[in-house]
Formats: sequence, structure tokens, C-alpha cells
Amino acid sequence: EVQLVESGGDLVQPGGSLRLSCAASGFTFSSYWMTWVRQAPGKGLEWVANINQDGRETFYVDSVKGRFTISRDNAKNSLYLQMNILRAEDTAVYYCAKGGVDSSWYWRVWGQGTLATVSS
Amino acid sequence: DIQMTQSPSTLSVSVGDRVTITCRASQSISSSLAWYQQKPGKAPKLLIYKASTLESGVPSRFSGSESGTEFTLTISSLQPDDFATYYCQQYNSYSVTFGGGTKVEIK
Repeated sequence: EVQLVESGGDLVQPGGSLRLSCAASGFTFSSYWMTWVRQAPGKGLEWVANINQDGRETFYVDSVKGRFTISRDNAKNSLYLQMNILRAEDTAVYYCAKGGVDSSWYWRVWGQGTLATVSS
Repeated sequence: DIQMTQSPSTLSVSVGDRVTITCRASQSISSSLAWYQQKPGKAPKLLIYKASTLESGVPSRFSGSESGTEFTLTISSLQPDDFATYYCQQYNSYSVTFGGGTKVEIK
């Protein structure tokens, strides 16, 4: 069974840092693009970042550029999101999602999400 | 950046009704458009990709179409399990944006 399990969400103060993880199983992780999408409480979906199969290509939404870093460890079947200089508006459920083998960025498989709360 | 304008934001409908949700892109996105269904507390579920291709396992009452930069999700006869929020998403040219969502609620 294809599965994604996020972890690492927590309460952090503004200006702080948080690292989210996503453990993948049931598929050949190294063959697929991977993605982070977030959803603020009661709001819509917002794409955050994508990473290609070998980690050399990354893409970000403008609002997180320079603050967030997406990375992956194919040996550990894991995806990460390092979030620095956090702001209140970064408060959201963060989902990881499995992409395709090409850059058609729509997603069939999603994790259950992990909540990151930025508040003093 | 490509903007996706989704309408309406809320729909009050009854079981058996035909439902139409529209997304308009601010520029051409070819057919790089997906539709998702999301229920409270759950991750989104892919319904349609490439504007009109039905995802495997999704009931045939769901369909997608396009006309230029306007994209439509149609539910031919709404079922009780279909009450949810629906999002469009464009994925053209290494960027992604979602529409604002349409909540389909019981009339």
C-alpha cells in the first residue's frame, strides 16, 4: 500500500524554526517528484514546494522563498521541509504528496497532514 | 503568477441535483488543470486531471471540461457522499496555484 506519513508539526514562536518529515512507503520513492502543500485553519489549499527525483531541482511559492527548504533522502524514503523565520501566517496543516515521474504536478497520494502552529 | 478564480464559493444543493463549478485561469494553462474533493479533516482526493481525465476509481458522475481558460467540474447527479469542498488546481510551467474552493452543502 502506498503511504505517506508526516510528522514534526508543533507549536513554535514567531521567528523560530521547524523541520517537517514525511515517511514514504509502498512505492519506489526515488522515482517520483514530491511536494508539500499547506492549508491554514479554515482556509484553502496552498502549494508550498516541489522537489524532483534526485533533489537537484526545487521550486517554491514566493511567500516561502529564502525561508523554507525542501529536501529528500532517497536512501531513507523520506521528504523534509525545513521552515525558518516562521511567521503567524505559516500556521497550517502541512501535507506531503506524491507526484509523478514527470513534472505534471497533480497528486494522487497524500499524507494525513501535520499541524504547524506559529504563535507566541 | 497564474491566478485561478473559482466560483461559486458556496453551493446549496439537494441530492440528485446537477452541480457545476467553474474555474477561470488568468492566462493560458493548456489543459494543466486538476480537480480535488476535500472533506473536513481529510486530505484532498484527486478527481480529474488534464482538465477532463477521470482519475481511476472516481464515479462517472464526475466530469471535467475546458473552454479556453475556463474549466468546469460537473457532478451529474449529486450523491450524499459528494457534500464536500472542491478545489481546482493549475500546474502549468513549473508553478502551481489552487482556486479558492467551492463548498457544496445541503440545501
